[in-house]
Amino acid sequence: DIQMTQSPSSLSASVGDRVTITCRASQSISSYLNWYQQKPGKAPKLLIYAASNLQSGVPSRFSGSGSGPDFTLTISSLQPEDFATYHCQQSYTTPWTFGQGTKVEIK
Amino acid sequence: QVQLQESGPGLVKPSGTLSLTCTVSGGSISSFYWSWIRQPPGKGLEWIGHIYYSGSTNYNPSLKGRVTISVDTSNNQFSLKLTSVFAADTAVYYCARTSYGSASNDYWGQGTLVTVSS
Repeated sequence: DIQMTQSPSSLSASVGDRVTITCRASQSISSYLNWYQQKPGKAPKLLIYAASNLQSGVPSRFSGSGSGPDFTLTISSLQPEDFATYHCQQSYTTPWTFGQGTKVEIK
Repeated sequence: QVQLQESGPGLVKPSGTLSLTCTVSGGSISSFYWSWIRQPPGKGLEWIGHIYYSGSTNYNPSLKGRVTISVDTSNNQFSLKLTSVFAADTAVYYCARTSYGSASNDYWGQGTLVTVSS
């Protein structure tokens, strides 16, 4: 199975901060990388698909980049509603696997 | 707007069978893949498997042949069966629509907690 490792596991940030979360695959996955946001008690929400494509309806402050094994999710200016857990997922080959999640907390 | 809703028992006895159904509304189940994903309390997400509307399936080998996913196109539903369950199968179970090209899950059900306990 392809292992997905996110860093950091958690971070504290303030409203307006630029936040970067990384995701590394245990092998090259081309651009088959998706990002999700999950709030407590809620289902994950798709933010970015295929590494850098913004899902319809997602604010433009979210962006994704990378290919091969290394990927980045960036929030350009953190908003109050962005405090949540973020998950990456590889869809290069089954079994599709997720990172362990990165919790973004209020500083 | 596509909506998904999971239904099924919230409590299953050890060694029993977990059965869940996902009802899709606001769109046809024909085309797209349809997935089951679970999340143990306080832990990360695990892909269980998916089904294409035609009936072809793909499962996570970690579940060691205990899983079956089926589709009922006439009722716009797909279902999950997990046999021989034990405590580690306790989780929130989500159904989701999966886009073919990127294999991203763009619509999700709200999730349903299934507890394995006697």
